[in-house]
Amino acid sequence: QGQLVQSGAEVKKPGSSVKVSCRSSGGTFDSYSFSWVRQAPGQGLEWMGRIIPILGLVNSAQQFQERLTITADTSTSTVYLELTSLRSEDSAFYFCARGLPLKPSDVWGQGTRVSVS
Amino acid sequence: DVQMTQSPSSLSASIGDRVTITCQASHDIVNYLHWYQQKPTKAPKLLIYDASNLQPGVPSRFSGSGSGTDFTLTITSLQPADVATYYCQPYDDLDFGQGTRVEIK
Repeated sequence: QGQLVQSGAEVKKPGSSVKVSCRSSGGTFDSYSFSWVRQAPGQGLEWMGRIIPILGLVNSAQQFQERLTITADTSTSTVYLELTSLRSEDSAFYFCARGLPLKPSDVWGQGTRVSVS
Repeated sequence: DVQMTQSPSSLSASIGDRVTITCQASHDIVNYLHWYQQKPTKAPKLLIYDASNLQPGVPSRFSGSGSGTDFTLTITSLQPADVATYYCQPYDDLDFGQGTRVEIK
């Protein structure tokens, strides 16, 4: 089935940046689409963006486009989320998720807590 | 962008009850609608893909239906393990519905 393992919790100052990693195992890395989804405390799921390494395609939700960078390193089967100009509202759990291109995510990482204060 | 309206926001039902959750899309999304279950402190889990296909390993008491703009997730006989929040998502790259919190009465 495969597995996604994310990096550990982060505590950041407002205005700084955070980079979260997500290492994929099982299956062919290039053949998947990797999405990032976040969840603020007590709130719902918010789709942030995704990357399809084999197509070199990256797209993101409009509200994040100026602050969000999603990259992939095929040599280590790892995808990254970098969010800049952090504010308190960015405090949340950040999940990476994997699926076939144009299909829903069926493998999820364990989540990474990012605290901004 | 497609906007999803999910209802109800929460519900409380008895063990064995039939539970129905709906999602309405602002535009025709054919059958590109997926349902996820999220238990507290856990990552979401895919239940139903493409409106009506049960993800392998998901109990058969879960089912999905609908097409176009109106979709439904049904739990035919609610079990304690089903206490969770359920989300719909159109396609694979758009935002989720607001979520439905399911509790046992």
